[in-house]
Amino acid sequence: ILNVEQSPQSLHVQEGDSTNFTCSFPSSNFYALHWYRWETAKSPEALFVMTLNGDEKKKGRISATLNTKEGYSYLYIKGSQPEDSATYLCAFVLNTGFQKLVFGTGTRLLVSP
Amino acid sequence: NAGVTQTPKFQVLKTGQSMTLQCAQDMNHEYMSWYRQDPGMGLRLIHYSVGAGITDQGEVPNGYNVSRSTTEDFPLRLLSAAPSQTSVYFCASSYSAGGSYTFGSGTRLTVV
Repeated sequence: ILNVEQSPQSLHVQEGDSTNFTCSFPSSNFYALHWYRWETAKSPEALFVMTLNGDEKKKGRISATLNTKEGYSYLYIKGSQPEDSATYLCAFVLNTGFQKLVFGTGTRLLVSP
Repeated sequence: NAGVTQTPKFQVLKTGQSMTLQCAQDMNHEYMSWYRQDPGMGLRLIHYSVGAGITDQGEVPNGYNVSRSTTEDFPLRLLSAAPSQTSVYFCASSYSAGGSYTFGSGTRLTVV
């Protein structure tokens, strides 16, 4: 069973705070690492797809880094806003056979005004 | 609008009944997957497909069946519903193995 772990499970910050989450995944047979944003009562939406060790991606105030050799990725949110409140999921794509997407359990972020 | 369409949005079944959750995409995506979402468990992969006629099992396939006769459609069949299958089901598709997935709006299923 593939183990994709995310920490922390939940986080409550104040508007304007910067925050970061961790996704840990197996360092062998790496194909890709995805980040998704999942708002309550909606469907997950893709933020980043990362494939190369050392990759850094940025979208507005959100950025992500990737270390495939040690098996972790960080997601950063700079200056959190209430609209950033959501669950952030990472997903690992294994490079064996059919490349299926396996999700972590997510980090739930709540940003208070 | 282009995307992934799931039907129905809500369904209540009695134990032992069978039903099919429908999933269709109009983006010509080869990769399609079914996930279930349970509290504290995240999204768990049930079955997936890498093209018409090719399917494989995910983490939690027992009690579910799939087929992929066309690129567009990937239905999920519950053979004999059990209360443990009460969950929210998501269908998702992608253009490539490592590409980002587009999700449907989900089906909330309750088995009583």
